Amino acid sequence: GAVVSQHPSWVICKSGTSVKIECRSLDFQATTMFWYRQFPKQSLMLMATSNEGSKATYEQGVEKDKFLINHASLTLSTLTVTSAHPEDSSFYICSAYWRGGADTQYFGPGTRLTVL
Amino acid sequence: EDKVVQSPLSLVVHEGDTVTLNCSYEVTNFRSLLWYKQEKKAPTFLFMLTSSGIEKKSGRLSSILDKKELFSILNITATQTGDSAVYLCAANTGTASKLTFGTGTRLQVTL
Repeated sequence: GAVVSQHPSWVICKSGTSVKIECRSLDFQATTMFWYRQFPKQSLMLMATSNEGSKATYEQGVEKDKFLINHASLTLSTLTVTSAHPEDSSFYICSAYWRGGADTQYFGPGTRLTVL
Repeated sequence: EDKVVQSPLSLVVHEGDTVTLNCSYEVTNFRSLLWYKQEKKAPTFLFMLTSSGIEKKSGRLSSILDKKELFSILNITATQTGDSAVYLCAANTGTASKLTFGTGTRLQVTL
């Protein structure tokens, strides 16, 4: 149980385009989902906390207009990188919090974004 | 500001060696300390520690938490090349299990 999927697993796009990444909890309802970014050889940095039906809470230094988060249902959150630039190239990982689980987050497999 | 620090940053050992990875934390609303192993993709869960002094064990891996001194260690005995990975610790704080990750320790096990 407690499986989280992400789609796509990798994406290459041109500078200036927008990219949407989906995060789904497959076998549980997640009231809260988290979005992380990880640059090469660095740790996971929390970008935002997403609660179903409400606005996301962004960490300091993360532009909310650039990284649009929508948590429309208890099993789906989306991250849209708008007007992507090469510096946005990174590994984006989502996680979902399942209150009925082990009081921890369950991670998706990640999405590698490359902006040319 | 919540902070989690791991040491060493990287480590190279020979197969069969025993390693100890360190994690110290300074966070508000501490709930638990988690260890993850990350290879090429997202982190995979190893342990969650909530109580001081109680060792958690899984095969050759074990971990313990000291809530008074605010640190945890992860031990790996009889290391194998498949243990090569980045090991992350994270402090669980606040509601809905918000995690603050440490810098990670990159472990390389050579033949």
